[in-house]
Amino acid sequence: GENVEQHPSTLSVQEGDSAVIKCTYSDSASNYFPWYKQELGKRPQLIIDIRSNVGEKKDQRIAVTLNKTAKHFSLHITETQPEDSAVYFCGSRAGAGKSTFGDGTTLTVKP
Amino acid sequence: NAGVTQTPKFRVLKTGQSMTLLCAQDMNHEYMYWYRQDPGMGLRLIHYSVGEGTTAKGEVPDGYNVSRLKKQNFLLGLESAAPSQTSVYFCASSTWGPGELFFGEGSRLTVL
Repeated sequence: GENVEQHPSTLSVQEGDSAVIKCTYSDSASNYFPWYKQELGKRPQLIIDIRSNVGEKKDQRIAVTLNKTAKHFSLHITETQPEDSAVYFCGSRAGAGKSTFGDGTTLTVKP
Repeated sequence: NAGVTQTPKFRVLKTGQSMTLLCAQDMNHEYMYWYRQDPGMGLRLIHYSVGEGTTAKGEVPDGYNVSRLKKQNFLLGLESAAPSQTSVYFCASSTWGPGELFFGEGSRLTVL
């Protein structure tokens, strides 16, 4: 089955700095790659996603890049703010059915 | 729209007891999922369904059963609870094909 690895497991940055989280996947059939943000005690919520026919996608301070050849994708957050502090999960999905997630990255933004 | 609703939100069981978690969605989604979340281990898929009357095993199905008798509901059952099943359980739903998962608020289960 699909295996998704996520790094780093924890990340601490100063407010205003950039944060980068990286994921690799194993199933070459995977074609959808979402990123979810989970605040403490809350449910995961989608913040950005990318499909396999696109190399990069941006939404304000958040961007995701995808390298299908190398089977890795990354989340980039610029100008970080304290409210960006949360756990971030990457995921992958191949066609119908199940999504597989990485183990999560705990991002702390220090004021 | 309520989205995805899970009941109960909290439950404490003794080893060997049984229980059912109910997930309901009002978005007419085809796919539904049950995940468990343990510290440092992300979201692990227990079982999922691609339509009414269908179920399939995920990564960690042992000790759990599921049913999807109605399109809007997905039930997760524990026949004989074990302490290893102490976790936060999330239900999610999505439309057909690649797309966003909509999660419920989670159900915290403690097995003593």
